[in-house]
Parts: sequence; C-alpha cells; structure tokens
Amino acid sequence: EAAVTQSPRSKVAVTGGKVTLSCHQTNNHDYMYWYRQDTGHGLRLIHYSYVADSTEKGDIPDGYKASRPSQENFSLILELASLSQTAVYFCASMENTEVFFGKGTRLTVV
Amino acid sequence: AQSVTQPDARVTVSEGASLQLRCKYSYSGTPYLFWYVQYPRQGLQLLLKYYSGDPVVQGVNGFEAEFSKSNSSFHLRKASVHWSDSAVYFCVLSLDTNAYKVIFGKGTHLHVLP
Repeated sequence: EAAVTQSPRSKVAVTGGKVTLSCHQTNNHDYMYWYRQDTGHGLRLIHYSYVADSTEKGDIPDGYKASRPSQENFSLILELASLSQTAVYFCASMENTEVFFGKGTRLTVV
Repeated sequence: AQSVTQPDARVTVSEGASLQLRCKYSYSGTPYLFWYVQYPRQGLQLLLKYYSGDPVVQGVNGFEAEFSKSNSSFHLRKASVHWSDSAVYFCVLSLDTNAYKVIFGKGTHLHVLP
C-alpha cells in the first residue's frame, strides 16, 4: 500500500510569513504532486515533479515554490503567505496513472 | 481540451436507496478513469478504476461504475447506500499520453439521510 505522509496536518501562519509544507512517500513513485483544495473548485495542481532535484509548474503556481531534494520528499514553500492561500493542501504520488493522496494540510493564513 | 464534469454538486438520498453519481469526460485519447472518495478531514481514497475491458468495474464497499465510450461517461452506482457513505466523490481522468496530467472533477457531495 502506497503511503504518502504530510506534515504538519494543520498550520496557522501570519500574512507575509514563510510556510513550508512537507510530504514524504515510501513507495518510490517517480511522480509527486501538490494540489490545493478550495470549496467549489475541486483540486487544482500547484507544482509537480517526476524526478529528484526537478520540479515543474502546474496550473496555479503563482505564490508557491516546490522542492524535491530526494525521491521520497517533496515540499511546498510559500515565501510570503497571503490570505488567499488559506486552503487545504494535498500531496500525492502517482504510479501507472493511479494517484495516492496524503491526508492533507489545513493552512490558515491570518 | 480535456475535462471532467460532475454535473451534480450535491446529492441527497435516503439510507437504503440506490445511488448514481454522474461523470462525463472529454478526451480524444484512451482514458483512464477513477472514482475517489473523500471523507471529512481526510485525503482522497480510491474507490475503483477503469483501464480497459469490461465496462462495468467493481470497487470497494459495494460501489461499481460503468464506462461508456459512446457517451463519454463513467457513472458511479451503488444499489443501497448507508449513512456512512456520506462524503465527497471525485471523478478523475488520467491521460495516456501525458503521464503527469490528472484531471479532477469538482466533486459531488453525497448526503445520506438516516
């Protein structure tokens, strides 16, 4: 069973502060993703990666950076958090078109 | 452009009733289709998947889905729902020619009345 672990599970951040969301997967999948979920929008792709030390922009990358230092780890970085980035963030990995999700991080920017 | 449409944002049914959640996709290539369920404050969990072959696929907890190429649909069904089925259900399309691209419907919030 693929395991994708996110930390923290929830976080409150101040506007203008830096936030790092972490993701760890244990099944050696090549593809990893960061999505955000907002009510009424479903899931939207922020960044993804298909190999360590490389990341790609997704559909809504503005205001976010990503880092993939190893096969197992994929981080999402908000350098200057804004109120509009309050959302639930999901990390995922993919193998053979099937996506495995973490349990999500609830980020509240105040 | 590829897309997934779930036309019903919310569905309410009584416990024991049958259920159909609708999903339409738009893609000219070979679709790989999935239904995921999201319980409150949880990640998305796979219910079932379709790659090829028998158009009716069975999933967990009594769910099944039927693929129709002619209708570009992948509807989810259950013969008798339980209150614990209350959740958000996502129809998802993976593309065969672009491995990174996964397209989500906006989800259908199912509310089962006890």
